[in-house]
Amino acid sequence: DAGVIQSPRHEVTEMGQEVTLRCKPISGHDYLFWYRQTMMRGLELLIYFNNNVPIDDSGMPEDRFSAKMPNASFSTLKIQPSEPRDSAVYFCASSWGRDTQYFGPGTRLTVL
Amino acid sequence: QKEVEQNSGPLSVPEGAIASLNCTYSDRGSQSFFWYRQYSGKSPELIMSIYSNGDKEDGRFTAQLNKASQYVSLLIRDSQPSDSATYLCAVITGRRALTFGSGTRLQVQP
Repeated sequence: DAGVIQSPRHEVTEMGQEVTLRCKPISGHDYLFWYRQTMMRGLELLIYFNNNVPIDDSGMPEDRFSAKMPNASFSTLKIQPSEPRDSAVYFCASSWGRDTQYFGPGTRLTVL
Repeated sequence: QKEVEQNSGPLSVPEGAIASLNCTYSDRGSQSFFWYRQYSGKSPELIMSIYSNGDKEDGRFTAQLNKASQYVSLLIRDSQPSDSATYLCAVITGRRALTFGSGTRLQVQP
């Protein structure tokens, strides 16, 4: 089993640019989660999907952030326009049911 | 008050000792509790889950839950240097997904 796959692993961009992070969940899992981790704020849930439908997006910081899950095997998290304060590690996780989540390797985003 | 609180540490224990990690949560309606381990630069990985009051053992790890006190702990017996990591407590409440604590950094001294 390949586990949760995220791309890119590292992203460096300039303020104002659009950033798209990608995630492929474990096959058969019905939940997908996007998290952001920083030293200051720890691990924060941004949004999660159940059967491709967004269930809770209350953690999405502002309108600059959007997430989609067009099918069971792919999700994107987009930031437009990006700002330096968005610099963080973004994790995608998937699960069968809400509890036992398996995390991807993360995308380290740096916005200059 | 944070929903899930942990002492940030570091907690330093000698090799072979018992490491005790603690976590409190604010919502009495919380129903599922988890401990994740995160090595520096890596993603969190699940160690234990616990759903009812009492102890749950898995190898060198024991999770303890006390819903009346809103307290969950993780004991690591015979601590090894390879156990040095940040341990994250996480809770599921209602329809929400996992809420994580800020983590406790554990250092096992050889």
